Amino acid sequence: DGGITQSPKYLFRKEGQNVTLSCEQNLNHDAMYWYRQDPGQGLRLIYYSQIVNDFQKGDIAEGYSVSREKKESFPLTVTSAQKNPTAFYLCASSKPLGGNYGYTFGSGTRLTVV
Amino acid sequence: GQQLNQNPQSMFIQEGEDVSMNCTSSSIFNTWLWYKQDPGEGPVLLIALYKAGELTSNGRLTAQFGITRKDSFLNISASIPSDVGIYFCAPLEGGGADGLTFGKGTHLIIQP
Repeated sequence: DGGITQSPKYLFRKEGQNVTLSCEQNLNHDAMYWYRQDPGQGLRLIYYSQIVNDFQKGDIAEGYSVSREKKESFPLTVTSAQKNPTAFYLCASSKPLGGNYGYTFGSGTRLTVV
Repeated sequence: GQQLNQNPQSMFIQEGEDVSMNCTSSSIFNTWLWYKQDPGEGPVLLIALYKAGELTSNGRLTAQFGITRKDSFLNISASIPSDVGIYFCAPLEGGGADGLTFGKGTHLIIQP
């Protein structure tokens, strides 16, 4: 079955350390996205990529970095420059052309800074 | 920039009651999406609306695309415990390739 997989489900990080969250999809979707979710804030867009080797900043990109070397993969690095990294991170993918506007989300990674 | 308001922020209801929530925006859209998020999981698409005035059902869920194209409504009839979660609206102007903007969500809590 096709889907989108995020790993790990829970992640603990010490202050000052970088950490990378994995996102893999086998849906043959062109576009991939990273969102951050905080209580009462809804989902806020961090980065997105419409095609391999290209990505764009979202609304809250500061302190984060991404890469898109393969169509299936869109890892997110939370750097030490991110002042408040504790949050629930959601990866999504979509095939924006062709009439299907829905995003498919992964199950999320909960990052806690200790 | 566009303002997107989703109401109510939370609802405490009894099992069996009907639920109504809505999203309003300062901008016009050509698509409205409704998602549900179970605790600790990613959101799942419930209903997609593509035309102003459209009324679409998915089981006990019914959603409407407002005639002004600036709002949308989601109703749940005869709520059951598995309806618990956070419901998000997400309007689109184009194909959404540059990222969906989500409402802040309606947190539905059902008391047995």
